[in-house]
Amino acid sequence: AQSVTQPDIHITVSEGASLELRCNYSYGATPYLFWYVQSPGQGLQLLLKYFSGDTLVQGIKGFEAEFKRSQSSFNLRKPSVHWSDAAEYFCAVGPVTGGGNKLTFGTGTQLKVEL
Amino acid sequence: GAVVSQHPSRVICKSGTSVKIECRSLDFQATTMFWYRQFPKQSLMLMATSNEGSKATYEQGVEKDKFLINHASLTLSTLTVTSAHPEDSSFYICSASPVTTNTNEQFFGPGTRLTVL
Repeated sequence: AQSVTQPDIHITVSEGASLELRCNYSYGATPYLFWYVQSPGQGLQLLLKYFSGDTLVQGIKGFEAEFKRSQSSFNLRKPSVHWSDAAEYFCAVGPVTGGGNKLTFGTGTQLKVEL
Repeated sequence: GAVVSQHPSRVICKSGTSVKIECRSLDFQATTMFWYRQFPKQSLMLMATSNEGSKATYEQGVEKDKFLINHASLTLSTLTVTSAHPEDSSFYICSASPVTTNTNEQFFGPGTRLTVL
């Protein structure tokens, strides 16, 4: 069965500091990986996605993620955090092809940014 | 592109009444739409998967007679919470998977906050 683990429930960083949010997955085939961000009371916005090619993917808002197959990880990073990055971040995994298949989400990491 | 809307954004209803939530893909056609429920400070829980023109597939533990899902067109899916009770109060989010994609990318709506008094 597929699963996604986000080990950190809460993370607090200072504005301007670097950020890394961890995501480990368990999946029986080539995974399609996503990072989404959710602001309070809002839906989910896609930050970036990966299923093939360069293992370092660039997303919106200055985020990037690195796929490491050997570690079954897809960690999200940002070199310098802004106060507006405070939100809930979700990692998700799904099948690469087939269309319309459901995703499995991690439990999320709540990011707080100290000014 | 790839915008999904939900209506209403917030709804308050009395216990025992039914509430309908609409999910629309505004600039693309969606073969599949998904309905999620999210409790405070928790992850998304998939309730059901709906495909246009067919019956929805419900996740284990989700009462299909209570949460009625209709996906009548490629741009609209509705979730009706029937005989709502306070425990149904939650944040409901829909997502849509475009017809043109062969991958599993989903685009999410902004969510609907349901409060049952």
